[in-house]
Amino acid sequence: GESVGLHLPTLSVQEGDNSIINCAYSNSASDYFIWYKQESGKGPQFIIDIRSNMDKRQGQRVTVLLNKTVKHLSLQIAATQPGDSAVYFCAEFGGSQGNLIFGKGTKLSVKP
Amino acid sequence: DGGITQSPKYLFRKEGQNVTLSCEQNLNHDAMYWYRQDPGQGLRLIYYSQIVNDFQKGDIAEGYSVSREKKESFPLTVTSAQKNPTAFYLCASSAPGTAVYGYTFGSGTRLTVV
Repeated sequence: GESVGLHLPTLSVQEGDNSIINCAYSNSASDYFIWYKQESGKGPQFIIDIRSNMDKRQGQRVTVLLNKTVKHLSLQIAATQPGDSAVYFCAEFGGSQGNLIFGKGTKLSVKP
Repeated sequence: DGGITQSPKYLFRKEGQNVTLSCEQNLNHDAMYWYRQDPGQGLRLIYYSQIVNDFQKGDIAEGYSVSREKKESFPLTVTSAQKNPTAFYLCASSAPGTAVYGYTFGSGTRLTVV
């Protein structure tokens, strides 16, 4: 379970570089995954999703990779921009109650 | 435009007071959720409701109460029993049983004890 007082891991990248944010999920039966972006003081916003029958999905400047063997999800952001600075959460779906389970989040900081 | 609205954006509570946070959605979503977020931390589930007139405790329900009298509304009351209520509160909704499993979030309410 989550530890109270545990702060988010941070990733710092240079503007224009590619970013890779990683997430380990918990339930091997999960069949749907989402990445959310949360800017400071705002609610999380949907970025991209992927179903378990896929291992890769691309959006605009973003790619999600799914490795079911090791229960690992990653979000790749191409040509990272200052506007990409935010906290990124992965979420998995597959529980019997139909609730999304959120990861702890990673804070992405983009240096100009 | 369809969406989910939280109000107020900022709320101040005195010691011993109950306060209620509003969450309204016009997305016709059956399910609604309340999360708490502390600085630099992830989301923790307080309460959720899959259908009108029914709700379930999440991971940190103590000191909170909810109601779901209407599909569109899911207010959260932070009671005086919640000893450390200062946090960012997020409401979300979803349409379980459809092909879209993602949650739509509101813009949050920042609650501060004064």
